[in-house]
Amino acid sequence: DGGITQSPKYLFRKEGQNVTLSCEQNLNHDAMYWYRQDPGQGLRLIYYSQIVNDFQKGDIAEGYSVSREKKESFPLTVTSAQKNPTAFYLCASSAAGNQETQYFGPGTRLLVL
Amino acid sequence: QKEVEQNSGPLSVPEGAIASLNCTYSDRVSQSFFWYRQYSGKSPELIMSIYSNGDKEDGRFTAQLNKASQYVSLLIRDSQPSDSATYLCAVNGYSGGGADGLTFGKGTHLIIQP
Repeated sequence: DGGITQSPKYLFRKEGQNVTLSCEQNLNHDAMYWYRQDPGQGLRLIYYSQIVNDFQKGDIAEGYSVSREKKESFPLTVTSAQKNPTAFYLCASSAAGNQETQYFGPGTRLLVL
Repeated sequence: QKEVEQNSGPLSVPEGAIASLNCTYSDRVSQSFFWYRQYSGKSPELIMSIYSNGDKEDGRFTAQLNKASQYVSLLIRDSQPSDSATYLCAVNGYSGGGADGLTFGKGTHLIIQP
């Protein structure tokens, strides 16, 4: 059953804490992406990776970090430097190329305690 | 800074009528255009993609692209209550062939009235 999985579904962060969101895909896609969605807003790009061991900052990368050690995995760490982390985080993947469709995982909702 | 503009709505359409959703974009070199549907609390799912000027039809959905006017639209024929959702317009640019992230509009909230 091919697709994109994200875990956990809900995540609670305490002040000063780093948390990591998981994203795994078995679609054999080269490219993976992280987006953030705030209520009533569109999606904003945090980071993306076109190939293993390489990634680029998106529009709102400050306070976040990523790694791409495996083709299938693209974890996102929300660091304590991100002062307003409460949002819906969406991971996506696509084949290589600008015309390729991005497919989304089910999302992780991050809340601050 | 790339921008994608959509009317946030809500857009209310009677069941069985045509729903028309519009989107404009700022980056003239944009190459690829996508419409996603998002139900409340869920992740976006692709409805249509379009790359060339003109119309592209898929079932009840038609996407229209006019690059000269920097305008993309989505028509939904025979609207059903299950079409009630937020529709996101997304645009990809050109960076030498790489797979870059999308720039999204804020979405149009569509309500189909039974």
